[in-house]
Amino acid sequence: QVQLKESGPGLVQPSQTLSLTCTVSGLSLTSNSVSWIRQPPGKGLEWMGVIWSNGGTDYNSAIKSRLSISRDTSKSQVFLKMNSLQTEDTAMYFCARGWYFDFWGPGTMVTVSS
Amino acid sequence: DVVMTQTPPSLSVAIGQSVSISCKSSQSLVYSDGKTYLHWLLQSPGRSPKRLIYQVSNLGSGVPDRFSGTGSQKDFTLKISRVEAEDLGVYYCAQTTHFPFTFGSGTKLEIK
Repeated sequence: QVQLKESGPGLVQPSQTLSLTCTVSGLSLTSNSVSWIRQPPGKGLEWMGVIWSNGGTDYNSAIKSRLSISRDTSKSQVFLKMNSLQTEDTAMYFCARGWYFDFWGPGTMVTVSS
Repeated sequence: DVVMTQTPPSLSVAIGQSVSISCKSSQSLVYSDGKTYLHWLLQSPGRSPKRLIYQVSNLGSGVPDRFSGTGSQKDFTLKISRVEAEDLGVYYCAQTTHFPFTFGSGTKLEIK
């Protein structure tokens, strides 16, 4: 049974760095890719980036300069780091399997506020 | 970036009726491998999105066959036959042919 679950700090101060973890079960990160997607309150979905099964990454050019995605295959975890956070980064952050988006985590809410 | 234009933005439908949602892309979604990576998702209230259809017309696991997808190149349609109460929520199309992957703005389905 494939499951993904996001975890993070909940509240981040402006200009600080966001660190999120996606813990997966029922699949191997060495044969599956994981995407990060976010959704501001009341708005639509924005794809942020993906880490491929070979460890390579692709990012949304709109946030590429601030974003880093990595993983620890031994712990079945994928990490998102995004710096220079602003209030417009307030959103629900989801991880999802691959680029078919067939499995999603429940999401973790991140609020950027002082 | 590929712009995904969904219409209508909202729908109100009675139980048992059929509805269609349109999704048009600013570029062809046919990848170099010949496949078209256009998918449909449903986000029920307070939930994370659930994939309904992948690659235009393939039903996701456990998805009722009341849902169907058609289309090609830049023009796609999701049809829901015999709408049920559990179908309410926001429907999104998504393309994963071109980077960055992009989503439509959503179609909110309400039950009359």
